[in-house]
Amino acid sequence: KNEVEQSPQNLTAQEGEFITINCSYSVGISALHWLQQHPGGGIVSLFMLSSGKKKHGRLIATINIQEKHSSLHITASHPRDSAVYICAVHPISSGSARQLTFGSGTQLTVLP
Amino acid sequence: DGGITQSPKYLFRKEGQNVTLSCEQNLNHDAMYWYRQDPGQGLRLIYYSQIVNDFQKGDIAEGYSVSREKKESFPLTVTSAQKNPTAFYLCASSIAGGLLETQYFGPGTRLLVL
Repeated sequence: KNEVEQSPQNLTAQEGEFITINCSYSVGISALHWLQQHPGGGIVSLFMLSSGKKKHGRLIATINIQEKHSSLHITASHPRDSAVYICAVHPISSGSARQLTFGSGTQLTVLP
Repeated sequence: DGGITQSPKYLFRKEGQNVTLSCEQNLNHDAMYWYRQDPGQGLRLIYYSQIVNDFQKGDIAEGYSVSREKKESFPLTVTSAQKNPTAFYLCASSIAGGLLETQYFGPGTRLLVL
């Protein structure tokens, strides 16, 4: 079983819909990251969370440390939001630079 | 503009050939990383470096080598010992490689075997 599981793997939505992508992890973590990978392959960091909730524009990320679960929400979705969304965790056992453990990503397609 | 550049965008390797992927950053970051991405899988760490002239193996270092002679540069060599090199390779950097740091990613290099 992977340490980081994302659901769904693929998601298709109509423009304007509210979207939720889920991430569950099985290890203790010091932080969780949400990343966005565009069709060309480049990756952009969206959020880093260690507790609670963060909001940036139409994006909202929440985390429940006790339940080992995080969600990424997109309000009023738009075709330009189409991308792969990746959840990554920083395990507590990993020490200093010891790395992020990545989920396999959720492919989001928003149709006009 | 500060950022990370990777070249080339596409790279073709013949059987038994070593190839080198370039990664350069002008963010003045101390830490740099190489990841491999395969379809349907999460990114996996190949090597990372927290400081010049020092680097550490990641989860899948076999068949790869790196150097860190300059702060700005962290080239990755895919050697002939890597039997399944076809993948998308991403370079990243962060300020000091510590906890709770954001990693900044380059645009990636897609390696294909002829």
